[in-house]
Amino acid sequence: SAVISQKPSRDICQRGTSLTIQCQVDSQVTMMFWYRQQPGQSLTLIATANQGSEATYESGFVIDKFPISRPNLTFSTLTVSNMSPEDSSIYLCSVDGTTGDGFFGQGTRLTVV
Amino acid sequence: KQEVTQIPAALSVPEGENLVLNCSFTDSAIYNLQWFRQDPGKGLTSLLLIQSSQREQTSGRLNASLDKSSGRSTLYIAASQPGDSATYLCAVVGSQGNLIFGKGTKLSVKP
Repeated sequence: SAVISQKPSRDICQRGTSLTIQCQVDSQVTMMFWYRQQPGQSLTLIATANQGSEATYESGFVIDKFPISRPNLTFSTLTVSNMSPEDSSIYLCSVDGTTGDGFFGQGTRLTVV
Repeated sequence: KQEVTQIPAALSVPEGENLVLNCSFTDSAIYNLQWFRQDPGKGLTSLLLIQSSQREQTSGRLNASLDKSSGRSTLYIAASQPGDSATYLCAVVGSQGNLIFGKGTKLSVKP
């Protein structure tokens, strides 16, 4: 199993500002995934982050709005840029386990006011 | 495009009941299927992983089955307890290792 630490756990931000969320894994992993969970909804994949290459974004998500860094095999950041109230969600990072199961951080609960 | 559906969306039962949560998926070419629990405002806790070659997995009072040919999985919870109250999410693993989620079943177990 993998242990994932995500920071911050929650934040309240002003519209128009940006927030960077950090995800630290206790072991080296090839791929890291960022998900969004809007209120009352299930999880939607934002992007897949591989070390050493550009992140791959899902339909409806763009790099200018959600820039991602992946500087090494244990760390990634997701930035939510130019925030609006519609960005209020839980953001979660995830990695693959060695048996193909997914492990998640505890999430970042973002409220934009 | 893979789609995952969970039925029912919400379920309320008295303590001690056995219950079944259902998950269906449209593309049977899956790698794995995973059941998660999510408490309000929290992240996800993995409950059971069923690999594509398996038909079921058990952990304590939980049993999950997988029928790839029919595109279905069930999560059976025996002797439910108030502490089981949470949202249960089913997810299939895509070819890139990402997870495709259903919308979840919100379970409430009444004392």
